[in-house]
Amino acid sequence: DAKTTQPPSMDCAEGRAANLPCNHSTISGNEYVYWYRQIHSQGPQYIIHGLKNNETNEMASLIITEDRKSSTLILPHATLRDTAVYYCIVGYNTDKLIFGTGTRLQVFP
Amino acid sequence: EAGVVQSPRYKIIEKKQPVAFWCNPISGHNTLYWYLQNLGQGPELLIRYENEEAVDDSQLPKDRFSAERLKGVDSTLKIQPAELGDSAVYLCASSLLGTSGSWEDEQFFGPGTRLTVL
Repeated sequence: DAKTTQPPSMDCAEGRAANLPCNHSTISGNEYVYWYRQIHSQGPQYIIHGLKNNETNEMASLIITEDRKSSTLILPHATLRDTAVYYCIVGYNTDKLIFGTGTRLQVFP
Repeated sequence: EAGVVQSPRYKIIEKKQPVAFWCNPISGHNTLYWYLQNLGQGPELLIRYENEEAVDDSQLPKDRFSAERLKGVDSTLKIQPAELGDSAVYLCASSLLGTSGSWEDEQFFGPGTRLTVL
């Protein structure tokens, strides 16, 4: 079973920041938080991952709370192409990804 | 750089017929995965290969599903015979397990094969 809880759906206006929450209260000390997204009719795509510190790359930022029980993926300026299902996954390595049902993000004009 | 290639993209078959899916991973990636994705659900791992060896096939229904990865590169996933409940998207992914024993950061997924069993 997936070890994360995400809202089933969210909306975001184009150009605004999209903040996607994820609860992972049972995360172990050495488990990473991974985020993937899946655009319609495509395979999942890696976005970002982190252990304890906040992380940022060209796609997004990942904010992990100090107790590591939750995190937020931030898309700073959402575009229509960011409409997708976003999966938050916890795991020790990238080889064992257990996907839940994710959050369906709809970006509207 | 070419991504993970899968074929066919779509397949429609009658129940009880056999079907096969093919995957070509990213060049140099030694780890290959097959996932099953039902509508509205996240992908579920069927089998994971490290080079030619299937290191995790615990979720593969072995009565009708089989997979192979000859020479540690391309892989095929077969279903024989197919059932109505096998209708789903079959995804292939690859990643790189480094010589130090640690993985690179991500799995790279192909576009999937959408199977419809009538």
